[in-house]
Amino acid sequence: DAKTTQPPSMDCAEGRAANLPCNHSTISGNEYVYWYRQIHSQGPQYIIHGLKNNETNEMASLIITEDRKSSTLILPHATLRDTAVYYCIVRVEEPDTGNQFYFGTGTSLTVIP
Amino acid sequence: DAGVIQSPRHEVTEMGQEVTLRCKPISGHNSLFWYRQTMMRGLELLIYFNNNVPIDDSGMPEDRFSAKMPNASFSTLKIQPSEPRDSAVYFCASSPDGLSNQPQHFGDGTRLSIL
Repeated sequence: DAKTTQPPSMDCAEGRAANLPCNHSTISGNEYVYWYRQIHSQGPQYIIHGLKNNETNEMASLIITEDRKSSTLILPHATLRDTAVYYCIVRVEEPDTGNQFYFGTGTSLTVIP
Repeated sequence: DAGVIQSPRHEVTEMGQEVTLRCKPISGHNSLFWYRQTMMRGLELLIYFNNNVPIDDSGMPEDRFSAKMPNASFSTLKIQPSEPRDSAVYFCASSPDGLSNQPQHFGDGTRLSIL
């Protein structure tokens, strides 16, 4: 089952904000939204996660809609090093097996000089 | 702080050979995950350990794959015998507690090529 839907690719000008959308319309009340990114030939890198409130850290901001059916990852000032595939993940709670991360196909973000 | 450490970074071997991939999780993390990434199927969870005990191995493709976690600081993923379709990048991840909302932290993976 597709748990999240993301656009396959996006471009962003260097220095501008990059806004990456994600649809998770089937999310249930206690499932968290996580964002990771993967730079070519490296492992996925954790960015941020949240439940229902907006979150901010040194890397990015996460905006979750009030109905929790979608979210947006914001990179406030994109740099060339932010070029990567960005994954929006819903953590599915399995009572017996704990947190299961389902990685979709992600959004390939290209930051343009 | 040291992150998740995987070895080897690259492995090339002929089909039929045994392959062993290794992972050292972040110290203090109680949960360990093995993933496989291919172009066709993306990132797939293979198996997940909590406190060194396998919790969910439903993602392990077949009996040729096995994983062990003999202690809190070491895990192996073994393929015997290997086949060309096993070629992929294999990632190990760890988290403080598999039953909480804490994020998983990934190693840089092992790129496996089976000829």
